[in-house]
Amino acid sequence: DVKVTQSSRYLVKRTGEKVFLECVQDMDHENMFWYRQDPGLGLRLIYFSYDVKMKEKGDIPEGYSVSREKKERFSLILESASTNQTSMYLCASRGPTSWEQYFGPGTRLTVT
Amino acid sequence: AQSVAQPEDQVNVAEGNPLTVKCTYSVSGNPYLFWYVQYPNRGLQFLLKYITGDNLVKGSYGFEAEFNKSQTSFHLKKPSALVSDSALYFCAVRGSGTYKYIFGTGTRLKVLA
Repeated sequence: DVKVTQSSRYLVKRTGEKVFLECVQDMDHENMFWYRQDPGLGLRLIYFSYDVKMKEKGDIPEGYSVSREKKERFSLILESASTNQTSMYLCASRGPTSWEQYFGPGTRLTVT
Repeated sequence: AQSVAQPEDQVNVAEGNPLTVKCTYSVSGNPYLFWYVQYPNRGLQFLLKYITGDNLVKGSYGFEAEFNKSQTSFHLKKPSALVSDSALYFCAVRGSGTYKYIFGTGTRLKVLA
């Protein structure tokens, strides 16, 4: 079974802090994704990576950056956290021969 | 532009009755369609997908979905609901030639004992 893990389940940060959210998958998948989930808005794509050091902006990249130095790890960075970035953050991966995504358990981030 | 609509925020059904969770989509080219389920404080779990072939697809936990090209719909169904099916359900679509998956806003299914 594919396993996608995220570094924290719950995180509380202060406004202006730099925040790192880490995601690791164990299936050698090329494609990895970061989404945020908000009630009534579903999942919205922040960034996508299709290979090491390769990335594409999603629908809501403002205020975020990403890093993919190794194939199994995809990090989301909030350069200067703001209260409107309080949300559930979900990481996903997808292999080359399957179309479905595999999701991590999510990180619920609160910015105060 | 790609889009997915889940017209119902919540669906209530009695245990043992059939359930339907609705999804319609708009995409250029052939659609790749998916259903996911999310239990409280968990990530999304894949249920089933339609890529090509038979319009009726079967997935995990007894769920199935029917692809209807003329109505651009992909409704999720189960013949007999269980209380443990209560969760948040997301429909998603991926258009051909794009890496992006578009998710619906989710439908909360509540199965009443």
